[in-house]
Amino acid sequence: QSALTQPASVSGSPGQSITISCTGTSSDVGSYNLVSWYQQHPGKAPKLMIYEGSKRPSGVSNRFSGSKSGNTASLTISGLQAEDEADYYCCSYAGSYVFGTGTKVTVL
Amino acid sequence: EVQLVESGGGLVQPGGSLKLSCAASGFTFSGSAMHWVRQASGKGLEWVGRIRSKANSYATAYAASVKGRFTISRDDSKNTAYLQMNSLKTEDTAVYYCTRHRPQYDFYTWGQGTLVTVSS
Repeated sequence: QSALTQPASVSGSPGQSITISCTGTSSDVGSYNLVSWYQQHPGKAPKLMIYEGSKRPSGVSNRFSGSKSGNTASLTISGLQAEDEADYYCCSYAGSYVFGTGTKVTVL
Repeated sequence: EVQLVESGGGLVQPGGSLKLSCAASGFTFSGSAMHWVRQASGKGLEWVGRIRSKANSYATAYAASVKGRFTISRDDSKNTAYLQMNSLKTEDTAVYYCTRHRPQYDFYTWGQGTLVTVSS
């Protein structure tokens, strides 16, 4: 199973909105509304930010939102803040699990 | 407090074996599926495998890259999951995380990770 495709990097200025795409296939992202998103700061474990495509766990800022269209899922961060600078990974259920290639978010 | 603590990482020669442990606390371990995810230095996350609960027959599944070499097990009496790694290759060098799987098909709780280095 191939990794889901994410842009290597995305950047934005404080206060702006950015969107990270996650492209899979009809066998993973396209078949299930079971995409989750993880934030990972350097040297730390991943943190769940979005589950079931668009739901936020308790404690996650409402500046984070998720969506899906066809074989592509997206994570949008609105009102970008310095602490949002991190790596982000999507993950899809597909019988087993497949992660995305990861996106480094830089706050300019 | 929900917590996962991995241990057992270290340096091992190619072809060698290593067994990682993941000690859980703060939740009903016996009812949870447990997964292992790894991350090579500077690289992305890779799903390694999982073990389901007793209610689901302790079913296991593995990524193609480790199938036949790695074995996941659990001891519910000790609230601990294990990852037995045999025939290790240099490309298995990574930080290994255990994570608790939720019914929502996601990974909410993660350990701090343990580093496995395969080198001669």
